[in-house]
Amino acid sequence: QLLESGGEWVQPGRSLRLSCAASGFRFEDYAMHWVRQAPGKGLEWVSVIDWNNRVTGYGDFVQGRFTISRDNAKNALYLQMNSLRVEDTAFYFCAKDIREQDYNGFHVWGQGTMVTVSS
Amino acid sequence: EIVLTQSPATLSLFPGERATLSCRASQTVSGYLAWYQQKPGQAPRLLIYDASTRATGTPDRFSGSGFGADFTLTISSLEPEDSAIYYCQQRSNWPPELSFGGGTKVEIK
Repeated sequence: QLLESGGEWVQPGRSLRLSCAASGFRFEDYAMHWVRQAPGKGLEWVSVIDWNNRVTGYGDFVQGRFTISRDNAKNALYLQMNSLRVEDTAFYFCAKDIREQDYNGFHVWGQGTMVTVSS
Repeated sequence: EIVLTQSPATLSLFPGERATLSCRASQTVSGYLAWYQQKPGQAPRLLIYDASTRATGTPDRFSGSGFGADFTLTISSLEPEDSAIYYCQQRSNWPPELSFGGGTKVEIK
């Protein structure tokens, strides 16, 4: 129901855009999230966007480098990542929120896309 | 930022034993706490939300309890397939901000 794409190897300082294609539910009714996991490490919440494409939130480590967006007409979620750092290397998962029109957590997860930042 | 601390880091038990996992928040999160199970090479799976509500498909041997800043995930009788890392997660509603605990690894002897 969620399929991420766009992950690849990039050099530090470069940009990358991740995409997530959603299906099987009313996309426009749910907040959507990005969560990441560095190899061998725990889960880290990255960002959320509300169902109306108006409200966003970010983890402290983002520091203005990432922008989340969505296109409800295309059932698509995006994460624009700029000024990438080595420590941004991780699997990036998109996830559907638990409840309609609320921020609770992560009900449905994609399989993830790998971002590697290295020189 | 609310910090979640999970303990123990690792739990090693026999099949059939009871597992008790703890999650403590640095400040109250009311009842907005969820638990996830992650097996190697897989995406996490939602087990429990709102501290004690089982997600669809969660076996009833899994139960969640707690409120405020202290929460517990209990697995009443461990099965071999319960070997995994378990994460707790909270949310602050405004501005929207979510975070995970560091995880508890459950090993089945």
